[in-house]
Amino acid sequence: NAGVTQTPKFRVLKTGQSMTLLCAQDMNHEYMYWYRQDPGMGLRLIHYSVGEGTTAKGEVPDGYNVSRLKKQNFLLGLESAAPSQTSVYFCASSSPLGRLAGGLSSYNEQFFGPGTRLTVL
Amino acid sequence: DAKTTQPTSMDCAEGRAANLPCNHSTISGNEYVYWYRQIHSQGPQYIIHGLKNNETNEMASLIITEDRKSSTLILPHATLRDTAVYYCIVRPPSVNAGGTSYGKLTFGQGTILTVHP
Repeated sequence: NAGVTQTPKFRVLKTGQSMTLLCAQDMNHEYMYWYRQDPGMGLRLIHYSVGEGTTAKGEVPDGYNVSRLKKQNFLLGLESAAPSQTSVYFCASSSPLGRLAGGLSSYNEQFFGPGTRLTVL
Repeated sequence: DAKTTQPTSMDCAEGRAANLPCNHSTISGNEYVYWYRQIHSQGPQYIIHGLKNNETNEMASLIITEDRKSSTLILPHATLRDTAVYYCIVRPPSVNAGGTSYGKLTFGQGTILTVHP
């Protein structure tokens, strides 16, 4: 299994250009996530999806759009790139439910892709 | 979600145990403690998680205090490849349809662990 893959690995854009980042997973996971990571900071959730055809906003959704037309793919779009969107973008996927403990079901682990390094000039 | 507090950085000698603390004093009774790590320039990697009992897997052990207000991640025999940023995350339990959590992870600053020869 390839796990979670991301395309492209690197990209340089000019302000105002658009692009789409592709995330693919071969683990048949229901949930998929897009995060961004700025220097010296933890990851912040942009958008997520709990199943094919569904998407939802995360912590920092402005300036991004997403689509989940196929279960295995989760696309992140930048319609008009800005320098503030210079970042490393990580995709992740997981299955919904994990093991039971004390009557509660934990979430399964998230598997992360290798990241896309985006620079907007 | 409960906030976590971790030391900014720690050092450990190769072959020794690395003990990474995490404070989560506002944790709710149904929230789990998760640990992830991020090796330089790579995506985060799941390590372990627990609710109230101590947990152990092939990577690490997780010790959660009885009051659940803090926990410690233990790497029993640290190697140079364990040098990474370690994130302690408090996460609500899964919810049935209609819930809003959906397993989201909220990352803080983490602890930079440096393992030296």
